Amino acid sequence: EADIYQTPRYLVIGTGKKITLECSQTMGHDKMYWYQQDPGMELHLIHYSYGVNSTEKGDLSSESTVSRIRTEHFPLTLESARPSHTSQYLCASSEASKGEQYFGPGTRLTVT
Amino acid sequence: GQQLNQSPQSMFIQEGEDVSMNCTSSSIFNTWLWYKQDPGEGPVLLIALYKAGELTSNGRLTAQFGITRKDSFLNISASIPSDVGIYFCAGPYYGGATNKLIFGTGTLLAVQP
Repeated sequence: EADIYQTPRYLVIGTGKKITLECSQTMGHDKMYWYQQDPGMELHLIHYSYGVNSTEKGDLSSESTVSRIRTEHFPLTLESARPSHTSQYLCASSEASKGEQYFGPGTRLTVT
Repeated sequence: GQQLNQSPQSMFIQEGEDVSMNCTSSSIFNTWLWYKQDPGEGPVLLIALYKAGELTSNGRLTAQFGITRKDSFLNISASIPSDVGIYFCAGPYYGGATNKLIFGTGTLLAVQP
């Protein structure tokens, strides 16, 4: 079944640690996105990719980085986590020609 | 920049009641999307609208693309407890990159059995 996956679902880590949030999709979509969302609030785009080797910053400034080496995989990395990075991170993908985006279940990150 | 305003911000209703919520913008959109988000989960696409005036249903949900292209409405008939969640409207904008979505501020729906 075509889907979009995120791991881990929940992560609690200490300040200064390096972390990578994984996102994979089996829908063959060219475009992928990362959003940051605080509880009950709007989604804010932090990174997106048009395809392999393409990455762009989103509308909300973020200290995280992303890479797109394979079509199906779009990991997000924080080199040194801080409490201000505590949030929910949502990954999404879409077909090249359509506006609809399909979301993964999210990773809830807590930095202590 | 473009913004999507949703109203109401929250609704507390009894099971079986009908619900209406809307989304407005100062800019024109060519596509309107409605998502539902359960606590701790990612948004799930409910309905996509592509044409001004279009009325589309998905089970008990009906959404309309406003004629002015600056608004959209979502109705839920005969609400049930599992309708609880946050409903977001969204629209793609083309400020230098296609397929970027703007999300509305969300409508929180609570349904009392």
